[in-house]
Amino acid sequence: GQNIDQPTEMTATEGAIVQINCTYQTSGFNGLFWYQQHAGEAPTFLSYNVLDGLEEKGRFSSFLSRSKGYSYLLLKELQMKDSASYLCALASGGSYIPTFGRGTSLIVHP
Amino acid sequence: SQTIHQWPATLVQPVGSPLSLECTVEGTSNPNLYWYRQAAGRGLQLLFYSVGIGQISSEVPQNLSASRPQDRQFILSSKKLLLSDSGFYLCAWSASGGRYTQYFGPGTRLTVL
Repeated sequence: GQNIDQPTEMTATEGAIVQINCTYQTSGFNGLFWYQQHAGEAPTFLSYNVLDGLEEKGRFSSFLSRSKGYSYLLLKELQMKDSASYLCALASGGSYIPTFGRGTSLIVHP
Repeated sequence: SQTIHQWPATLVQPVGSPLSLECTVEGTSNPNLYWYRQAAGRGLQLLFYSVGIGQISSEVPQNLSASRPQDRQFILSSKKLLLSDSGFYLCAWSASGGRYTQYFGPGTRLTVL
């Protein structure tokens, strides 16, 4: 089985940097995903990590440590539009279907 | 490029009425298709997935069913809706052959009264 843990809510200031953590317990790791979901909308894909290390995409970066069962999403130069829920999802155990965490609601204030 | 459509966008239905939600994908062949439900303030719950025409796997026992009559069409149905069926229904696709990234449609917000 899988156990995915991420904080329920975080707040940050416009222009700042925020790190959203995700820890998991699983066997047969196949990849870790991050999605962004604005209120009332569908999730949109942000990143996929299958190897250890940092993947950078513009203002967003995602880090993975398989040995520690740990990932984080780093958001730089925060903008008001970054206020959203960030979902950590894990594919593992021989399945190609990711299991989603409950998400972290990020509130960016001026 | 690939596009995924869902309709309707919103739906209000009385308890006991039937349901049919449709999802279609463009720009890809033989996709894996998924139905998720997201209840208010809760995570994404996988309901059904399909790896091909007529092949449906159910994750959660309930009064919902799914069908895949064509390669890029996925339908979620119910004969009699319950109040607990209210939620945000999301269709997603991923490429076949072990590539896992899922891409979501715009969703259908269902309210059962």
